[in-house]
Amino acid sequence: SQQGEEDPQALSIQEGENATMNCSYKTSINNLQWYRQNSGRGLVHLILIRSNEREKHSGRLRVTLDTSKKSSSLLITASRAADTASYFCATDARDYKLSFGAGTTVTVRA
Amino acid sequence: DAGITQSPRHKVTETGTPVTLRCHQTENHRYMYWYRQDPGHGLRLIHYSYGVKDTDKGEVSDGYSVSRSKTEDFLLTLESATSSQTSVYFCASTPGGDEKLFFGSGTQLSVL
Repeated sequence: SQQGEEDPQALSIQEGENATMNCSYKTSINNLQWYRQNSGRGLVHLILIRSNEREKHSGRLRVTLDTSKKSSSLLITASRAADTASYFCATDARDYKLSFGAGTTVTVRA
Repeated sequence: DAGITQSPRHKVTETGTPVTLRCHQTENHRYMYWYRQDPGHGLRLIHYSYGVKDTDKGEVSDGYSVSRSKTEDFLLTLESATSSQTSVYFCASTPGGDEKLFFGSGTQLSVL
């Protein structure tokens, strides 16, 4: 079964707004990763946060991790049309097998 | 980006026929993975490899087998294709088991 679950399933925002999506998981993890998938393409790695970290930044991306709540959030600031994509969280439960959620589809309106 | 290629990119086959998908990486990554992606399910792990000739099952391995005779190649075989195996298949690789994955562009497989 899937370890991670994203929320919401879909998100529509205006260009320039921030987009926030959440990921919940079930068992203890080694790290949590976020990936982006543009329509018809493979997944591209965005950011990795380890279990002993609480927050990481990469450009306009901010990821938080709360291991006590078994949850993570991905914030995209100042969204652009090019951010339109599906976003997936993936968890590594210390067994080298990344488990992916069903994803959040983000649409950025011009 | 890591050099990881999948072939074929598209395939249409008939129920009951064997099908082999190929993943080739040029990064000397130790770990390789096969996932399938279906609407509403995200990516589900089929099989993975942690070295040459070392493979293990994922969560949806029934009806699939894999082989890895060289570091760079990871083959996925559908022994007798069924319509439920119509999906998009992604290969991924990584140098370390707890590091980010590099994905191929996917293979769209249709089983009629």
